[in-house]
Amino acid sequence: DGGITQSPKYLFRKEGQNVTLSCEQNLNHDAMYWYRQDPGQGLRLIYYSQIVNDFQKGDIAEGYSVSREKKESFPLTVTSAQKNPTAFYLCASRDSSMNTEAFFGQGTRLTVV
Amino acid sequence: RKEVEQDPGPFNVPEGATVAFNCTYSNSASQSFFWYRQDCRKEPKLLMSVYSSGNEDGRFTAQLNRASQYISLLIRDSKLSDSATYLCVVNVGGFKTIFGAGTRLFVKA
Repeated sequence: DGGITQSPKYLFRKEGQNVTLSCEQNLNHDAMYWYRQDPGQGLRLIYYSQIVNDFQKGDIAEGYSVSREKKESFPLTVTSAQKNPTAFYLCASRDSSMNTEAFFGQGTRLTVV
Repeated sequence: RKEVEQDPGPFNVPEGATVAFNCTYSNSASQSFFWYRQDCRKEPKLLMSVYSSGNEDGRFTAQLNRASQYISLLIRDSKLSDSATYLCVVNVGGFKTIFGAGTRLFVKA
C-alpha cells in the first residue's frame, strides 16, 4: 500500500541531545514537508522540499535541520538549539501539481525530559 | 498578519444543527485550497478540496471567494462524529503549503 511512514511513533530524549525523526513515502511525490503541532494549536511549517537535494525553511526552522538525499526520504533532526522541542511532529508529501492535497504520516510525539 | 487565519472556536452545537466556518488568507497568489479534519492526537486528513465554483460533498459545502480572500465550510445536519478540528489549508506559490490553526467543533447530543 502506498503511503507515508513516520518513525518512531513515540520518542523520548534527554535535554541537549540531537534526535532524528524519520519520514519515508512511496507515493512518488516530489514535495515533502515537516510540521510541528503543539497541544491545542495548529500546524506550523518547519521545512519543506520540492525536489531532491533542495529544501526551504518554513516559519519555525530555527533549531531544526533536514536533508533530502532521496526522493522517498525527508528526515528531520531536532537539534539541541531548539529551545522547546517537545511536540507532535507531522510529515507530509504531495504531488508536484499545485492543485493536489498533502498526505500525512501518523506523526511522531517527541518528549524531551 | 498570519498567512492563513481561522476562528479557533470552539463551536458547540447540538446534533442536527448547521454550522459554518470561515478562513481568510493573505497571499493573493494562493493557488489551491482545502479543508482538512483532524481528530484528537491524530494526523490531519483531507475532508474536501475547495473550488472556485463551490462544491458539495454530502452534508459538507465549501466555497471560495477570491476577491475577498476567504474560504468557508458549511456542515449541515451535524452528527456527533463531526466533532473534530477543521483545518483550512492553502497552497501558495513555490510548493509552500500553509495550514490555519484550526477551528474546533463539538457536536453534542
